[in-house]
Amino acid sequence: QVQLQQWGAGLLKPSETLSLTCAVYGGSFTTYHWGWIRQPPGKGLEWIGEIIHSGTTNYNPSLKSRVIISLDTSKNQFSLNLSSVTAADTAVYYCARRYSYGYEDWFDPWGQGTLVTVSS
Amino acid sequence: DIQLTQSPSFVSASVGDRVTITCRASHGINIYLAWYQQKPGKAPKLLIYGASTLESGVPSRFSGSGSGTEFTLTISSLQPEDSATYYCEQVNAHPLTFGGGTKVGIK
Repeated sequence: QVQLQQWGAGLLKPSETLSLTCAVYGGSFTTYHWGWIRQPPGKGLEWIGEIIHSGTTNYNPSLKSRVIISLDTSKNQFSLNLSSVTAADTAVYYCARRYSYGYEDWFDPWGQGTLVTVSS
Repeated sequence: DIQLTQSPSFVSASVGDRVTITCRASHGINIYLAWYQQKPGKAPKLLIYGASTLESGVPSRFSGSGSGTEFTLTISSLQPEDSATYYCEQVNAHPLTFGGGTKVGIK
């Protein structure tokens, strides 16, 4: 049973860098994509980006200039860095495993979520 | 980007009712669509992938259909525990996108 556990700072000031880490327990790191999704309070879901076990990344163009997703296979962890945050980046951030093989493509499981608030 | 439009945004129904949620894609996405259920304060939970394949452990009252640009999620007999927000997601092309969500309430 794969589980994802995430952590990181929950309160940031504008212009700071958001950093979150997600640890993968109980499963293989290969074969899958490892992604980040966020959800502003009371709103819908937004895909931020993902990293494949090979190290290849894909980012949402709306955030691409500020996002870096990295992988540490020795620790079974992957991380999100989002620079120059503003109040618009306030959201619950989720990490998730993505399985992608033809139409068999989904996010599961998900981390527990981390509320990140950007405020001066 | 592929836009996903869900309707309705909110539906209230009685226990035992049939509930249908629609997800329309701005471009054809074949069957590269998944559905999730999210309860307050919790992460989304996978219900359906490939437009119509039920994830293991998900009750059979949930079903999905469609291809191309129009998809539906149906709850055949609404139960109290189905009160939640439901999202569709397209996995046909980057950037991956989600619908705006449909909140299902119990009368």
